[in-house]
Amino acid sequence: EADIYQTPRYLVIGTGKKITLECSQTMGHDKMYWYQQDPGMELHLIHYSYGVNSTEKGDLSSESTVSRIRTEHFPLTLESARPSHTSQYLCASSRPRTGGLLGDNEQFFGPGTRLTVL
Amino acid sequence: QKEVEQDPGPLSVPEGAIVSLNCTYSNSAFQYFMWYRQYSRKGPELLMYTYSSGNKEDGRFTAQVDKSSKYISLFIRDSQPSDSATYLCAMSDGAGKSTFGDGTTLTVKP
Repeated sequence: EADIYQTPRYLVIGTGKKITLECSQTMGHDKMYWYQQDPGMELHLIHYSYGVNSTEKGDLSSESTVSRIRTEHFPLTLESARPSHTSQYLCASSRPRTGGLLGDNEQFFGPGTRLTVL
Repeated sequence: QKEVEQDPGPLSVPEGAIVSLNCTYSNSAFQYFMWYRQYSRKGPELLMYTYSSGNKEDGRFTAQVDKSSKYISLFIRDSQPSDSATYLCAMSDGAGKSTFGDGTTLTVKP
């Protein structure tokens, strides 16, 4: 089982609040990712990081921001939550390119944070 | 047009049935083809993968890739209620990012 953790698992919050979704992995993976997934819909990549102090925006525009100060930690922050941010947020990491047969093409996912903004 | 299109489902089959899940893609640079399984309220987990074309079998599961048709399939034989989940195809050109399909939700009824 992958050692990647997300907290909180569920969050219900009012409009305008600042929130931070936590993601930690203990596998020493350099690459980490944040996805947004609505029920029955595809995974949308919103942020990724290839290592400490490296962050990039993903394919789906997002009002969230991320930071990568430590290898194991990749938090996502929403400065002012809105109902349109209601979704499931999944964090993932991948091995180095030379790690295993799939290398960095296999992603290990956390359990997700289900966010509801009222 | 999306880079990866997955047959939408949902699928509902009786226990013991053979299930076929399919994806098509448009990016000829994709080299790695993965299938993830996602149970309700959990994150996806890698189920099977293939590199380039061909078939791969693992127990009741078979993954097929036809690069000439840009088409991949996952077959589940003797399906079980425990196979009930959402199945996501994913593809990568090896640069470290994967493109996922929308997922197909499968229900196997006892």
